Amino acid sequence: AQSVTQLGSHVSVSEGALVLLRCNYSSSVPPYLFWYVQYPNQGLQLLLKYTTGATLVKGINGFEAEFKKSETSFHLTKPSAHMSDAAEYFCAVTTDSWGKLQFGAGTQVVVTP
Amino acid sequence: EPEVTQTPSHQVTQMGQEVILRCVPISNHLYFYWYRQILGQKVEFLVSFYNNEISEKSEIFDDQFSVERPDGSNFTLKIRSTKLEDSAMYFCASRPGTSGGRDETQYFGPGTRLLVL
Repeated sequence: AQSVTQLGSHVSVSEGALVLLRCNYSSSVPPYLFWYVQYPNQGLQLLLKYTTGATLVKGINGFEAEFKKSETSFHLTKPSAHMSDAAEYFCAVTTDSWGKLQFGAGTQVVVTP
Repeated sequence: EPEVTQTPSHQVTQMGQEVILRCVPISNHLYFYWYRQILGQKVEFLVSFYNNEISEKSEIFDDQFSVERPDGSNFTLKIRSTKLEDSAMYFCASRPGTSGGRDETQYFGPGTRLLVL
């Protein structure tokens, strides 16, 4: 079975500060990992994904994440928060061939001036 | 840029009524999905659909639920007799199906918020 745990349901960061969102997964087979973002009244949009190869992946809007197998983690970071980063962020994993995504509970990011 | 669309954006219904949620996936995509998110809870997988049949479904997707691709462009989710606990945001997603599989990005629609009274 696979599962995803996101630490922290709400994160508040100052504009210009580091954004760090934590995601840990459990999987009995090599996972494919995703980070999605949801802006108010919009659907889920892919930020980045890890499938194979380089463990540090870069995504849109300056975000990046590192797959660490030994720690079963896929934390999302952005060096400098912008007001437009205020949104909900979801980590997800898939291990089956049909692509079913298993999501974490989500982290709401608030950016303060 | 192509996008997944969903209608209606909001739906209010009485318990026991049938509802149909509609989705138009991205053209030429081959795999389709429904997910739901009950307020304050995780986004949960409901069903995947490929080649005009269900490929996988969750325990949530019981006999009250059905999916259909009636005309080659729309993808619908029907709930036959709604319950209070069906109140949730329902997301449709699609992916191309041109590469290996689970590494492909799923593209999500904006969701339909269903409220069952």
